[in-house]
Amino acid sequence: QVQLQESGPGLVKPSETLSLTCTVSGGSISGYYWSWIRQPPGKGLEWIGYIYYSGSTNYNPSLKSRVTLSVDTSKKQFSLKVTSLTAADTAVYHCVRSRAVAGDPFDYWGQGTLVTVSS
Amino acid sequence: DIQMTQSPSSLSASVGGRVTITCRASQSISSYLNWYQHKPGKAPKLLIYATSSLQSGVPSKFSGSGSGTDFTLTISSLQPEDFATYYCQQSYSTPYTFGQGTKLEIK
Repeated sequence: QVQLQESGPGLVKPSETLSLTCTVSGGSISGYYWSWIRQPPGKGLEWIGYIYYSGSTNYNPSLKSRVTLSVDTSKKQFSLKVTSLTAADTAVYHCVRSRAVAGDPFDYWGQGTLVTVSS
Repeated sequence: DIQMTQSPSSLSASVGGRVTITCRASQSISSYLNWYQHKPGKAPKLLIYATSSLQSGVPSKFSGSGSGTDFTLTISSLQPEDFATYYCQQSYSTPYTFGQGTKLEIK
């Protein structure tokens, strides 16, 4: 059974950079798209972007200027960096898998990690 | 971006009952519509993909239909474990977008 586990700080200061890592277990990292999706408290789900196992990326234009995704296939991990944080970036961040087939859904999700942006 | 609008935003129903949630896309998304169930503190779970295909392991009490811009999720024989928040999501084009969610509560 594929499992995804997010890790990273729960509290970051405004204007700083958030770094989160997702570790994949129970399955291969190759051949899939790996996304980050966030949910601010009381709000809906927002797709941040995905990275293919080969390293190609696709970002949500709303966040593109502040987001970088990377992947380390040897460790079966992929990572998210978000710069210039504000309170609006406070959210539960989920790492998510989808198959590399056009239109495929998000079939495995991490439980999510709450990130609070506050001084 | 493709806007996804779900209705209702909340819904009360009885155990054993049946509910229908609707999702409308701001433009045609063919059949690229997926449904997820989310319980607090848990990972969201894929229920239905490509409008009407049941994800492996999901009971047949969940069903989906629609095409183009209008879609529905129907849940029959409601059990206590079905009370959760449900989201639709379009996978037609990036940026992928979600509906705002429908919270299903016990009456």
